Amino acid sequence: ETGVTQTPRHLVMGMTNKKSLKCEQHLGHNAMYWYKQSAKKPLELMFVYSLEERVENNSVPSRFSPECPNSSHLFLHLHTLQPEDSALYLCASSQEEGNEQFFGPGTRLTVL
Amino acid sequence: EDQVTQSPEALRLQEGESSSLNCSYTVSGLRGLFWYRQDPGKGPEFLFTLYSAGEEKEKERLKATLTKKESFLHITAPKPEDSATYLCAVQDDKIIFGKGTRLHILP
Repeated sequence: ETGVTQTPRHLVMGMTNKKSLKCEQHLGHNAMYWYKQSAKKPLELMFVYSLEERVENNSVPSRFSPECPNSSHLFLHLHTLQPEDSALYLCASSQEEGNEQFFGPGTRLTVL
Repeated sequence: EDQVTQSPEALRLQEGESSSLNCSYTVSGLRGLFWYRQDPGKGPEFLFTLYSAGEEKEKERLKATLTKKESFLHITAPKPEDSATYLCAVQDDKIIFGKGTRLHILP
């Protein structure tokens, strides 16, 4: 595997389900990010991790819970989501925070 | 309030018809401006980083320029495979993305 990978690529869940999104980077980078991409809106930064420590949380609802167990892996735990949370969730990494970012293919999430 | 505005929202060009995309920004302390390309169903792909006014970067048919208030992505003699959404992002103490320009090149 090369670059940034994300699983699953598609996810359909009910409002009461609990699921997790996984991201793995094979670039040796120190920073990782979660974004939400909705139609007609700019990319919204959700969380930033640098050297496995969370450095930014942009007022994201607590139903989204990130986890960064090491510098190569990032998770986004989801529970009791709302239909308006349906979107493309993108993971990215960069050598250091503030450098150019390299994105994964995203997880298309649909909340019923 | 920090802002990034891209124009136009959408652009249709004939193959070979050169044009420019604009990204205007208002941030307190620019640390870098990034251009990305995004194809449908995929994550954004990094193109360029610009750090200071007057800087230019080129890659194949694309050239990015930067002033103190805006950046341009110039596309010279585009081909249909250049069709994509082009995203601009600005980094000060946080990163802010624009909404993007959807570019369609007609054969």
